Amino acid sequence: DIQMTQSPSSLSASVGDRVTITCRASQSLNNYLNWYQQKPGQAPKLLIYAASSLQSGVPSRFSGSGSGTDFTLTISSLQPEDFATYYCQQNYSPPQTFGPGTKVDI
Amino acid sequence: QVQLVQSGAAVKKPGASVKVSCKASGYTFTDYGIHWVRQAPGQGLEWMGWISPYNGHINYARKFQVRVTMTTDTSTITAYMELTSLTSDDTAVYYCARGFSSGGTGMDVWGQGTTVTVSS
Repeated sequence: DIQMTQSPSSLSASVGDRVTITCRASQSLNNYLNWYQQKPGQAPKLLIYAASSLQSGVPSRFSGSGSGTDFTLTISSLQPEDFATYYCQQNYSPPQTFGPGTKVDI
Repeated sequence: QVQLVQSGAAVKKPGASVKVSCKASGYTFTDYGIHWVRQAPGQGLEWMGWISPYNGHINYARKFQVRVTMTTDTSTITAYMELTSLTSDDTAVYYCARGFSSGGTGMDVWGQGTTVTVSS
């Protein structure tokens, strides 16, 4: 199985900050890497698919980059509604696996 | 409007089984697979498996392989996930999500979640 790690596990930031979250896979994913946002009591929401493609309706302050085993989610200017937990997920091969999550709070 | 609507919360005793439903609307059911993902209280997301409504192809996570059964009913455009031999460790919110077995555009539509509580 492909193992996913994320760093940091949590971070504190302010409105307007640039935030970067890193995800690393135990083997190459051929860019089949997705990012999700989850707020308390809600289902996850797809932000980025295929490493860098912005899901329809997601604000452009969110961006994804990377290839192979190392990927990054960037929020260019943090907004109040962005305080949440972020997960990376590989869909290169089953079993699809999630990273442990990064909690972004104030 | 594309959506997945799940069945309501369930409380089960240890050793029992639970069957969660996920009804699709707003898209062609057989064009996408259905993933099942669970989240224990305060924990991360755990992938359980995937099923294709088109041809019935299934991938189960090894951890759940002996206890889980995923099915679909194309006449009612509903997917089901049954988990047997429940223990307190199975207490979690269970989600269905639309997506492909590999590649594609990720899990782009999610159900609202079904809380399953296992308690004696």
